[in-house]
Amino acid sequence: EDKVVQSPLSLVVHEGDTVTLNCSYEVTNFRSLLWYKQEKKAPTFLFMLTSSGIEKKSGRLSSILDKKELFSILNITATQTGDSAVYLCAVFIIQGAQKLVFGQGTRLTINP
Amino acid sequence: DGGITQSPKYLFRKEGQNVTLSCEQNLNHDAMYWYRQDPGQGLRLIYYSQIVNDFQKGDIAEGYSVSREKKESFPLTVTSAQKNPTAFYLCASSMDLDYNYGYTFGSGTRLTVV
Repeated sequence: EDKVVQSPLSLVVHEGDTVTLNCSYEVTNFRSLLWYKQEKKAPTFLFMLTSSGIEKKSGRLSSILDKKELFSILNITATQTGDSAVYLCAVFIIQGAQKLVFGQGTRLTINP
Repeated sequence: DGGITQSPKYLFRKEGQNVTLSCEQNLNHDAMYWYRQDPGQGLRLIYYSQIVNDFQKGDIAEGYSVSREKKESFPLTVTSAQKNPTAFYLCASSMDLDYNYGYTFGSGTRLTVV
């Protein structure tokens, strides 16, 4: 069974802190790993990772994939209250048809 | 602007009633998906469709049905057989072969059984 596990499930930090969110996976026919941010409704795309060891960056957010150890991390530096959201990790697999398998999400709360 | 529209945003249903959630996209995407989101469980795949007039069961299809008569539309019916239908439902679409950008999601429908 394809599985994506995120940790921690919930995290509360102060503004300005740096956080690391974890995502591990066990799937067949891995194609890519994606990170989404969900504030209230529709998840919004952050990163897509396909190759090991290549960091992707967007402002204060960065992410990297380790295909040997089957995990990814999402880092957020100098956190702001606007970073408060649920962060979803998903693995894109192709098994006849393509589909995304999601983790449980990490609820991040940034306190001022 | 291209995107996915889900309606209604909020829906209340009495036990024993069927209800249909709408999902329409104007992105010319071939593939469409329905996910259910419960607190602490992430998104779980209900049904997906790669082309018109064809769809496949996802991981939690029991108690749900779908149709794909048009490329733009992928409605989801929550039947009375679904034992715990209260949840947040998300529709998504993607180009069949273009997995480089993941999915485009709708804004969701929150269904509450009363």
